[in-house]
Amino acid sequence: EDQVTQSPEALRLQEGESSSLNCSYTVSGLRGLFWYRQDPGKGPEFLFTLYSAGEEKEKERLKATLTKKESFLHITAPKPEDSATYLCAVRGGANSKLTFGKGITLSVRP
Amino acid sequence: DGGITQSPKYLFRKEGQNVTLSCEQNLNHDAMYWYRQDPGQGLRLIYYSQIVNDFQKGDIAEGYSVSREKKESFPLTVTSAQKNPTAFYLCASSIGGGSGANVLTFGAGSRLTVL
Repeated sequence: EDQVTQSPEALRLQEGESSSLNCSYTVSGLRGLFWYRQDPGKGPEFLFTLYSAGEEKEKERLKATLTKKESFLHITAPKPEDSATYLCAVRGGANSKLTFGKGITLSVRP
Repeated sequence: DGGITQSPKYLFRKEGQNVTLSCEQNLNHDAMYWYRQDPGQGLRLIYYSQIVNDFQKGDIAEGYSVSREKKESFPLTVTSAQKNPTAFYLCASSIGGGSGANVLTFGAGSRLTVL
């Protein structure tokens, strides 16, 4: 059974204070790891897909990396508008369904 | 603009009543999904459909029903058999099965509260 664990559950940063969000996963034959951003009361918004260890993708202040056991979402010099819940999900080779983690709630103070 | 429309955004239900949540997409996606989101839990899959007139149970299908009569529409009925229906419900779609199923586009969600 595919499993995804995200840590920490919540993270509070000062504006400009860089940090990383962790997503640890167990999956049989990784077909893809995905990061989504979710604002309160809204649906998740797709950020990145990573397919193989060593892969990295960037978008503005966000950078996602992947190893064989975990993924990190690095946030460089965050701004208050980066405050949201960040969801990680994996798709294994056994099925076409995504397995989601519980999410990390990020709060960035001005 | 293409996207997914869920309605209503907020819904209140009395115990013993069935309610139907609407989900319409104009992205020309083949696959559609319903997820349930509860505080402190990850998204859990209720039902999914990869083609019209076909759908499969997800991890928590008990007490729910769906139909897929049109490519654009995938309504979810929360029946009185669902023991704890108060939750945030998310509809999603993707291009299709296989590798194309990876990137989900989500609607804005429907919040159901049982009174």
